[in-house]
Amino acid sequence: KNQVEQSPQSLIILEGKNCTLQCNYTVSPFSNLRWYKQDTGRGPVSLTIMTFSENTKSNGRYTATLDADTKQSSLHITASQLSDSASYICVVRRGNEKLTFGTGTRLTIIP
Amino acid sequence: GAGVSQSPSNKVTEKGKDVELRCDPISGHTALYWYRQSLGQGLEFLIYFQGNSAPDKSGLPSDRFSAERTGGSVSTLTIQRTQQEDSAVYLCASSLAGGAITDTQYFGPGTRLTVL
Repeated sequence: KNQVEQSPQSLIILEGKNCTLQCNYTVSPFSNLRWYKQDTGRGPVSLTIMTFSENTKSNGRYTATLDADTKQSSLHITASQLSDSASYICVVRRGNEKLTFGTGTRLTIIP
Repeated sequence: GAGVSQSPSNKVTEKGKDVELRCDPISGHTALYWYRQSLGQGLEFLIYFQGNSAPDKSGLPSDRFSAERTGGSVSTLTIQRTQQEDSAVYLCASSLAGGAITDTQYFGPGTRLTVL
């Protein structure tokens, strides 16, 4: 079954600290993987997209990694800010078909 | 506007009533998607419009759900005879060319539907 699982379900960290969010998928054939950020009451916004041949991609303080062999991805946030508080959703595209969404990790940054 | 807009932002209705949700995609985007996001669940695909092609309705959960896209732009999602389990946030997204594998979907803020 084509699934995307994320962990942890929720995470609370102090402002300025780093954190890593995990995404495991069983989607096949793999086309690409995106991380989206969804602020409360808003729609998701794409942070990064990674294809099969890419291992690491950065967008400011966000760094995504992809291991296509183990079907795992991570999103690392460096020097967290209060504005990073949001849900982070891992999304995998199967071939040329529709997207499969994870249930997200709810990140809360506290001052 | 610069982004995808949806209206209303919130809708409270009574069980059994019909509701219409509206989506205005980004100008020039040929692909439009509707998703449902229930509490604690991942986004659930509902329907996909691409240009003038017949829509992909494979995600619609029942025949109470339907959607139209007029003139290749604005879309309306209609839920007839609403049930309490229809309560969710309904998200619309548009993209420049839905068939490209790296095509980016841009999401609207969603409509929060509550069925009492």
